[in-house]
Amino acid sequence: QVGLQESGPGLVKSSETLSLTCTVSGGSVTGDSFYWSWSRQPPGKGLEWIGYFYASGSTNYNPSLKSRVTISGETSKNQFSLTLTSVTAADTAMYYCAKGDAPHILDVWGQGTTVTVSS
Amino acid sequence: QSVLTQPPSVSAAPGQKVTISCSESSSNSGNNYISWYQQLPGTAPKLLIYDNNRRPSGIPDRFSGSKSGTSATLGITGVQTGDEADYYCGTWDSSLSFVVFGGGTKLTVL
Repeated sequence: QVGLQESGPGLVKSSETLSLTCTVSGGSVTGDSFYWSWSRQPPGKGLEWIGYFYASGSTNYNPSLKSRVTISGETSKNQFSLTLTSVTAADTAMYYCAKGDAPHILDVWGQGTTVTVSS
Repeated sequence: QSVLTQPPSVSAAPGQKVTISCSESSSNSGNNYISWYQQLPGTAPKLLIYDNNRRPSGIPDRFSGSKSGTSATLGITGVQTGDEADYYCGTWDSSLSFVVFGGGTKLTVL
């Protein structure tokens, strides 16, 4: 049974870079053919998909965030990470990592981590 | 680009049946597979339905999904107070290659 746990700073300054990590247990980021994904949810709002990293190394991102987002996998630590540059208050949200057999079939989610962008 | 439209809220009495709609608008309408997620207050989303009507193991058969053309529906029979949650539909937009979520529907059990 795969487990996911997000980690990273809860507070990021405006214009700086947000970096989060998702640690995978019970599975392999590069060995298993899953889509390792990030989504976010601003306070009181709906879900927004950010992107995925696939075991082969391929990635795909939300077009609205593509210029600022990088998702990558780290085999040695069995983690995958999210980097979001030039953050603004609009990036304040709960960030979730998830995995799935397809990008839109996310069957395991982490508990989420709150990120606040301060000015 | 796919857009998924859901009603903001629905309500039902305990024991009743409720349906939540998800209307698809895109050039690929009708060909996309829909997933449904349940998000209980303060928790992460949980996959309820995938490929329009398939349930992951462990999901009760009170939850069902269907799709006809550009409209998908999540059905919940025998509604319980524990079903109070936000429900989201989602799909893969093959034209732009990204995941789209609907705006979410809040289920209130009266």
